[in-house]
Amino acid sequence: GENVEQHPSTLSVQEGDSAVIKCTYSDSASNYFPWYKQELGKRPQLIIDIRSNVGEKKDQRIAVTLNKTAKHFSLHITETQPEDSAVYFCAATTGNQFYFGTGTSLTVIP
Amino acid sequence: GAGVSQSPSNKVTEKGKDVELRCDPISGHTALYWYRQSLGQGLEFLIYFQGNSAPDKSGLPSDRFSAERTGGSVSTLTIQRTQQEDSAVYLCASSVGFGGDTQYFGPGTRLTVL
Repeated sequence: GENVEQHPSTLSVQEGDSAVIKCTYSDSASNYFPWYKQELGKRPQLIIDIRSNVGEKKDQRIAVTLNKTAKHFSLHITETQPEDSAVYFCAATTGNQFYFGTGTSLTVIP
Repeated sequence: GAGVSQSPSNKVTEKGKDVELRCDPISGHTALYWYRQSLGQGLEFLIYFQGNSAPDKSGLPSDRFSAERTGGSVSTLTIQRTQQEDSAVYLCASSVGFGGDTQYFGPGTRLTVL
């Protein structure tokens, strides 16, 4: 089955700096890669996603890149703000089961 | 519109008792997923439904866990003879279909087994 690894597990950045979270996957058939943000005590919320026919997608301060050859995808947050502090999860799927990374706890220091 | 809802929001039970967790997906969503999240951990996939059918039950942790879905809507996750290691937040998500449709998560049920 699919195996998704996520790094780093914790990340602290100064407000205004960029944050990058990386995930690798093992199943080359995976074709959809969402990213979720989970604030403390709340449900995961989709923040951005990318499909295997696209190499990069951007939404304001958030971007995701996908390298199918290397089987890795990354989340980029620019101009970080304190409200970006949360746990971020990547996931991969071939269409049915979703496999999640172990999460990255991001802290933005004001 | 209404999102995914789950009940109860919190459940405290004694070891050995059975519990039933409920998920109401977004109306019209054919795909439904159950996950377990232990404190400070990631999301552990348990089972998914295509309509009322669960093609793959291998993600369920043990035979004490079972799930069903009726009418292509409400799903229940049942844990029999609960153990302390079952304590976790159980999250449900639904999506319009498969092939990588966005999953919308419910608020979760926090299960505590004493």
